[in-house]
Amino acid sequence: SQQGEEDPQALSIQEGENATMNCSYKTSINNLQWYRQNSGRGLVHLILIRSNEREKHSGRLRVTLDTSKKSSSLLITASRAADTASYFCATDARDSGAGSYQLTFGKGTKLSVIP
Amino acid sequence: DTAVSQTPKYLVTQMGNDKSIKCEQNLGHDTMYWYKQDSKKFLKIMFSYNNKELIINETVPNRFSPKSPDKAHLNLHINSLELGDSAVYFCASSTGDTQYFGPGTRLTVL
Repeated sequence: SQQGEEDPQALSIQEGENATMNCSYKTSINNLQWYRQNSGRGLVHLILIRSNEREKHSGRLRVTLDTSKKSSSLLITASRAADTASYFCATDARDSGAGSYQLTFGKGTKLSVIP
Repeated sequence: DTAVSQTPKYLVTQMGNDKSIKCEQNLGHDTMYWYKQDSKKFLKIMFSYNNKELIINETVPNRFSPKSPDKAHLNLHINSLELGDSAVYFCASSTGDTQYFGPGTRLTVL
């Protein structure tokens, strides 16, 4: 069953503004990851936050994790037109054995950054 | 150089046909995956292989059969294609937590 739920489903902002996307999940996790998908392309890993971390930064990205609320947020600061894409959270709830990590993805937030 | 590659990029076929999608990764990863992304962008895992052994096999019709000739390749064969199989299929690989995705194969069943 689906684990992550992103909110909002779609977000449209002006270039230079900040974009915040949220993700809620249902079960305990080992880590939570955010991926970006440009139109017609595969997913690209952005950032990973472990269950014992509360906040993580990578360039213009800031991710928070609240395990008590089972939620995470992705903040993109000073957005650019090139940030236009769909963003997915993925939770890693268990190791299925032999090094295989089963990620469960949400439905994604479609971000449009208007130049 | 492309890290995870898939062929073909587009596949249009008639209902009832059998087709294959190929995936190769040059990252030296031990684990490979197949995902299906439906028209609503929902991405769901289908299979996972680690060192050529099947690890994850989600509830997928047995018309779908993955084959891993070596740890750098994971192919997906689909028998008796149905309209509902139309989707984008992604291959991915990993050596740990992070997964690296291929560009996807858009399958359209007419």
